[in-house]
Amino acid sequence: GAVVSQHPSWVICKSGTSVKIECRSLDFQATTMFWYRQFPKQSLMLMATSNEGSKATYEQGVEKDKFLINHASLTLSTLTVTSAHPEDSSFYICSARSGRIRNEQFFGPGTRLTVL
Amino acid sequence: GENVEQHPSTLSVQEGDSAVIKCTYSDSASNYFPWYKQELGKGPQLIIDIRSNVGEKKDQRIAVTLNKTAKHFSLHITETQPEDSAVYFCAARRGGAAGNKLTFGGGTRVLVKP
Repeated sequence: GAVVSQHPSWVICKSGTSVKIECRSLDFQATTMFWYRQFPKQSLMLMATSNEGSKATYEQGVEKDKFLINHASLTLSTLTVTSAHPEDSSFYICSARSGRIRNEQFFGPGTRLTVL
Repeated sequence: GENVEQHPSTLSVQEGDSAVIKCTYSDSASNYFPWYKQELGKGPQLIIDIRSNVGEKKDQRIAVTLNKTAKHFSLHITETQPEDSAVYFCAARRGGAAGNKLTFGGGTRVLVKP
């Protein structure tokens, strides 16, 4: 089946540093990738949508200069949290969609970010 | 935009009993309704989905029903097992290139007691 991987699975960093999270579609080409943030006991909040080779479209209230998204290929997207602060601590989940697989959306395992 | 409401927020059932989770949506143009299961510390996993041209779909112990007129859809889990304990999310999405964003419900925490 369609598999989406994320790396790292968890990361702890100091306040003010930047963190990069990778999302890969392992066995299919993702025309669209999505980045979500999930706080404890809450639903998934869409941060941005990206299409390969295009600039990401950010949801209202999400700072594009703080959450840099790069979708360089049909199998790789990265999210960089710049100048991270404790309030950025969250569970970040990527998702990939392929037009060939009934337009289903597949989710990665998530990355737990803790900013000290 | 789309708004998806999900009930209940928590559900405790005895092993072997059935569990039902209900969702309502606001956008009549939505035509794709997936259900995801999320275990602690993991990403959501698609368990079943339904499209607006179908009223019901079943996969072993899991079934989903859709009422387009009333704009609601439900997840039914029969013969629940402890491994069904997780958080379940419903979602809705429009079709076509312009509507490629899933809108999620608030989630239902299901606990199956042995």
